[in-house]
This record gives sequence, structure tokens and C-alpha cells, in this order.
Amino acid sequence: GNSVTQMEGPVTLSEEAFLTINCTYTATGYPSLFWYVQYPGEGLQLLLKATKADDKGSNKGFEATYRKETTSFHLEKGSVQVSDSAVYFCALSERRSYIPTFGRGTSLIVHP
Amino acid sequence: EAGVVQSPRYKIIEKKQPVAFWCNPISGHNTLYWYLQNLGQGPELLIRYENEEAVDDSQLPKDRFSAERLKGVDSTLKIQPAELGDSAVYLCASSLTSGSLETQYFGPGTRLLVL
Repeated sequence: GNSVTQMEGPVTLSEEAFLTINCTYTATGYPSLFWYVQYPGEGLQLLLKATKADDKGSNKGFEATYRKETTSFHLEKGSVQVSDSAVYFCALSERRSYIPTFGRGTSLIVHP
Repeated sequence: EAGVVQSPRYKIIEKKQPVAFWCNPISGHNTLYWYLQNLGQGPELLIRYENEEAVDDSQLPKDRFSAERLKGVDSTLKIQPAELGDSAVYLCASSLTSGSLETQYFGPGTRLLVL
């Protein structure tokens, strides 16, 4: 079956530091890959996505590249802000399947 | 445009009691999903509705869980009786039609604590 593995948190950074949250996956087919963000008290929000190998998703300064050879989709941001503090989920969804697979989530805490 | 609305936001009950969660999807969205999010885990799909029909409920524990979507709009998810292990966040999502994950809009969830 499919699975998504994320680095454990919390990840604690100072403002303006570089962020990497690792995500690797296993899938039987050719999935689309996603990063979601969950702010306290709010629902999951799509942050970025990539639908095929070597695609780069980007949004709000965050980036992730679909690496088929390493089955990875690591999230990066060059300079984090306090407002980026949230839980980040990596996920995959196979084409024609409505059952997504989420990782466990990684909590990010950014200090001023 | 209003997002997906869920209520209550928090619920505390004693084990063996029944509990129900309500979801109002985005207007015009025909597909509705219920997810279970255990502490420290990602969401897992429980059931998917196309209008009022449950088209995928293979992940729903049918011995104590039930769901309905009358008139193809609002939906309720019920647990009877609740067990300690049911303590989790129950998420509702909706989309215009069934499609890939990015088409789904998530509500804030109902956090359930079973004592």
C-alpha cells in the first residue's frame, strides 16, 4: 500500500532561518504529491502540489520538488517567519483514487 | 464565500455515550468527505458521499460509526457507543465533484475527547 513518512517534529527555528521538512513516500503508481498546512484552530489548507516527476510546487515562499528517483518531496523555505508556525502535512493521491495518504505531520515553531 | 462549517468544535463525553458531529459543506459542493485524525497522525478517510449516496465507506467502522447526508447537503457522523480510542479530531471536507485531493476544502474539525 501507499505510505508517507515525514520527519518528526517539532522543528524549532529562529525567524529568517532556512527551513527543510523531509518527506518520502511509497506508492504503487504515479501519484500527485502535496503539502498541506494546518494553523491552530483551522482546517487543512493546500500549500503546494506537484503532479509529476521533476515538477516544482511553490507558494508563499515555500518550495518542494517531486523527486521520483529518491521518492521524496521535501519542503523548503529560505527565510521563515513567526507566522509560518503551524503543522505541515505531506500527502499523496493516486490518479483515479479518492483515498489520499497523509504523513503524520511536522510541527514548526518559529521564534522571533 | 463561507467555508466548510463543522459543529461542535469541541466535545467531551464519557465512554459508552453516543455523540454526533455535523458538517455543512461549501454551497454547491456535491462531494463530501469525513476524515479521522488521531493525535500525531495525518487524516484518514472514513467515508465519501456523492450527493446523498455513500460511494466509499470501506474505511468506516460500521459496528459503532454511522453517517448520513440527507438531501445531499449537510451531513452527520455518529458514534454509538463511544470508546476511549475514539478520542480524535473528525474532519469534514467538500469538493464540487469527486477528484484529486487538491479539490477538497477542509473544515476546522471537531475535537472529541472520550473520558
